[in-house]
Amino acid sequence: QSALTQPASVSGSPGQSMTISCTGTSSDVGGYNYVSWYQQYPGKAPKLMIYDVTKRPSGVSNRFSGSKSGNTASLTISGLQAEDEAVYYCGSYRGSSTFVVFGGGTKLTVL
Amino acid sequence: EVQLLASGGGLVQPGGSLRLSCAASGFTFSNYAMSWVRQAPGKGLEWVSTLTGSGANTYYADSVKGRFTISRDNSKSTLYLQMNSLRAEDTAVYYCASTHFPGSFFEYWGQGTLVTVSS
Repeated sequence: QSALTQPASVSGSPGQSMTISCTGTSSDVGGYNYVSWYQQYPGKAPKLMIYDVTKRPSGVSNRFSGSKSGNTASLTISGLQAEDEAVYYCGSYRGSSTFVVFGGGTKLTVL
Repeated sequence: EVQLLASGGGLVQPGGSLRLSCAASGFTFSNYAMSWVRQAPGKGLEWVSTLTGSGANTYYADSVKGRFTISRDNSKSTLYLQMNSLRAEDTAVYYCASTHFPGSFFEYWGQGTLVTVSS
């Protein structure tokens, strides 16, 4: 069982917006502004999409955005495209001993 | 262009040892903390260990503490993971990744190397 809770799967049509949630506790998501999101295609390494809750690395489409409210972080993808179909993982800092915890991953299907 | 090339994976018996390497290029290796993150077949990501740029501070997941040792050679831009007393549950693809403090996020990832622990 993963430390952070994500829905196992979500689906949407091209052009729609989709939000993926990531629920933790006050010891991780709620306690720090250090939530990150990763996109992973089958057989490939993860790719950083969002860091520090809302920041986008250079080269990542502005269709991807992050937010947080209390112990739940969210990744929103606007204008869904077929290429967005992948598994998305959230991660959060949890202090100097545990360091980082991940969610179980959410498979996004673009219908 | 940043490149992280992981190697050293393979098939090992329970109780055995293996050393993974991750050769880095395209950035100033010694300026970055580095981590290992693993992914069991069909499962999610699990953070394993992190080492600061100078090598002075190390962090381990409870699941590997006392069995795995992370290290680096900044003169060779290479990260290592010495894995001892391997168990079946250590079977996974092991990724090396550059790591940012204090956000603790992983910016660049290697392609991964598969470790299979089985008799």
